[in-house]
Amino acid sequence: DTEVTQTPKHLVMGMTNKKSLKCEQHMGHRAMYWYKQKAKKPPELMFVYSYEKLSINESVPSRFSPECPNSSLLNLHLHALQPEDSALYLCASSQEELGLAEYEQYFGPGTRLTVT
Amino acid sequence: GENVEQHPSTLSVQEGDSAVIKCTYSDSASNYFPWYKQELGKRPQLIIDIRSNVGEKKDQRIAVTLNKTAKHFSLHITETQPEDSAVYFCAAYNYGQNFVFGPGTRLSVLP
Repeated sequence: DTEVTQTPKHLVMGMTNKKSLKCEQHMGHRAMYWYKQKAKKPPELMFVYSYEKLSINESVPSRFSPECPNSSLLNLHLHALQPEDSALYLCASSQEELGLAEYEQYFGPGTRLTVT
Repeated sequence: GENVEQHPSTLSVQEGDSAVIKCTYSDSASNYFPWYKQELGKRPQLIIDIRSNVGEKKDQRIAVTLNKTAKHFSLHITETQPEDSAVYFCAAYNYGQNFVFGPGTRLSVLP
């Protein structure tokens, strides 16, 4: 099983709402990642978790709050978002954090978020 | 922080020809350089990668070269096929620090 799953596929939320994105993998990977991708742009790294600990936080606004409850799950809690936060949010995982060795990173299908 | 540039932004080739995409990076500490292919509406998929202690890597029709001194790396696709049409992203990873993607190259393979 080389699959990363993400729920929901689509999400529409108002600026005062609180919602969460969920990512799951059962490949035994110890590193998990959140990316934001706007249309016709490259993915932008938001957070990296390694062994359930936050490894990289790319100066993401506090209205995005990551959580790694166990080695298979990664959540992204959303609160008081702005319309410019509308994007495709991609989750990914790899055996170990990239750069340690030649581990492949597997991406999930993404959650398309619209903030109204 | 890291900055990755990628050229060209669009590339059209005839089926069977070769395609070359070039990237430069700024952070000499970056040590892992993957290439991703993303088709419209789909997730990025790794097609080949290279680490900083290797100069060249090949996988069938795809090859990547790395020049650490000049801080640039290139993707070479030979015998292109229509299914190679997609957006290609290079990226540079500095373990524990950052992971930056290039802006992308839209490759069109014309039959």
